[in-house]
Amino acid sequence: GNSVTQMEGPVTLSEEAFLTINCTYTATGYPSLFWYVQYPGEGLQLLLKATKADDKGSNKGFEATYRKETTSFHLEKGSVQVSDSAVYFCALRGMYSNYQLIWGAGTKLIIKP
Amino acid sequence: NAGVTQTPKFRVLKTGQSMTLLCAQDMNHEYMYWYRQDPGMGLRLIHYSVGEGTTAKGEVPDGYNVSRLKKQNFLLGLESAAPSQTSVYFCASSFDRASGNTIYFGEGSWLTVV
Repeated sequence: GNSVTQMEGPVTLSEEAFLTINCTYTATGYPSLFWYVQYPGEGLQLLLKATKADDKGSNKGFEATYRKETTSFHLEKGSVQVSDSAVYFCALRGMYSNYQLIWGAGTKLIIKP
Repeated sequence: NAGVTQTPKFRVLKTGQSMTLLCAQDMNHEYMYWYRQDPGMGLRLIHYSVGEGTTAKGEVPDGYNVSRLKKQNFLLGLESAAPSQTSVYFCASSFDRASGNTIYFGEGSWLTVV
């Protein structure tokens, strides 16, 4: 079945550091891939998505590229800010009649000033 | 822009009590979902609905019931709450099942069962 694996957290970085949060997946065909962000005390918000191989999703300085050959969708940001502190979830949605998102466990990101 | 609204936001229940979580969306979405979120785990789908009057079981449906009497509302019921149901519950909705379509989430409902 479909699955998503994220790097375990928490990830602690200093402000302006480079961020990578790894996400790999298992799925048949060509799923759509998503990154959601959850700020403290809030619901999940879509951060970015990619719907086909080699697509790059980007938003708020974050980027992720859909790599079919390595079944990965790693999240990156060149210079993080304290306001980026949150929990980040990688998810996939199967291409075959699949109503739900399959979620990674989430990675907590802590940015220190 | 209300989006997806959940009520209540916080609730403490005693074991055996019943309660209903209400979810409302104003985006005219066909699909609605209830998830639970537990520490160290991704979201798990409890039940979902593909349109008014329909419901279906998700990954962890036991102990919960749902109803979708109106397109804009999706209710999650706990008939006899158990401590294992202490969790954060998220409602979500989407336009249709197309794989690339965005799912929109409510802000969550924190439920504690003592």
